[in-house]
Amino acid sequence: QQQVKQSPQSLIVQKGGISIINCAYENTAFDYFPWYQQFPGKGPALLIAIRPDVSEKKEGRFTISFNKSAKQFSLHIMDSQPGDSATYFCAASFRGGAGTALIFGKGTTLSVSS
Amino acid sequence: SAVISQKPSRDICQRGTSLTIQCQVDSQVTMMFWYRQQPGQSLTLIATANQGSEATYESGFVIDKFPISRPNLTFSTLTVSNMSPEDSSIYLCSVRDREYNSPLHFGNGTRLTVT
Repeated sequence: QQQVKQSPQSLIVQKGGISIINCAYENTAFDYFPWYQQFPGKGPALLIAIRPDVSEKKEGRFTISFNKSAKQFSLHIMDSQPGDSATYFCAASFRGGAGTALIFGKGTTLSVSS
Repeated sequence: SAVISQKPSRDICQRGTSLTIQCQVDSQVTMMFWYRQQPGQSLTLIATANQGSEATYESGFVIDKFPISRPNLTFSTLTVSNMSPEDSSIYLCSVRDREYNSPLHFGNGTRLTVT
């Protein structure tokens, strides 16, 4: 119940294409869903996050789609660029005490070919 | 967002020794966490570092192996004790404010290799 399942494990997209990464969860107590981007040798950096009271959030080329009934959420990267090549992690947490840690998916390695 | 500095950035250690990793934040933060990221893997929470009291460990992690200190709101240490090659990982310090759904920020990690 504490797991966040992420797919695909790896993804190759042409420059200018759309990258889509999916995550699913079981625990309905989760109420905060961020996505992190990690480059080699760096710590993960927050990319975008959503709460379950909205179905979509967009920031620039990055969009989170959230389906509460299906317990799924996804990251869409529009107009993918070689600089987007990185590992992406979805995560979730719940208000079981403010400031609880995040539970991460296994990650997706994205390669954008030019 | 908070700037998190970890030291050392990498180290190669011998089996049976211990390494202490330092995490310094440029502002006071409520919550500090330690994660482990094994090569090519996801991030696993080791423990929550509690200021002025014992850390809260996740299942599979024990204080004797991973003692943690947090003397104030800007600093924490994680020690990896009696190391074995299986401890080779990236260890990441992260911080978060107590406010509901505040972002979690990470340092760049300590890349540990145990030979």
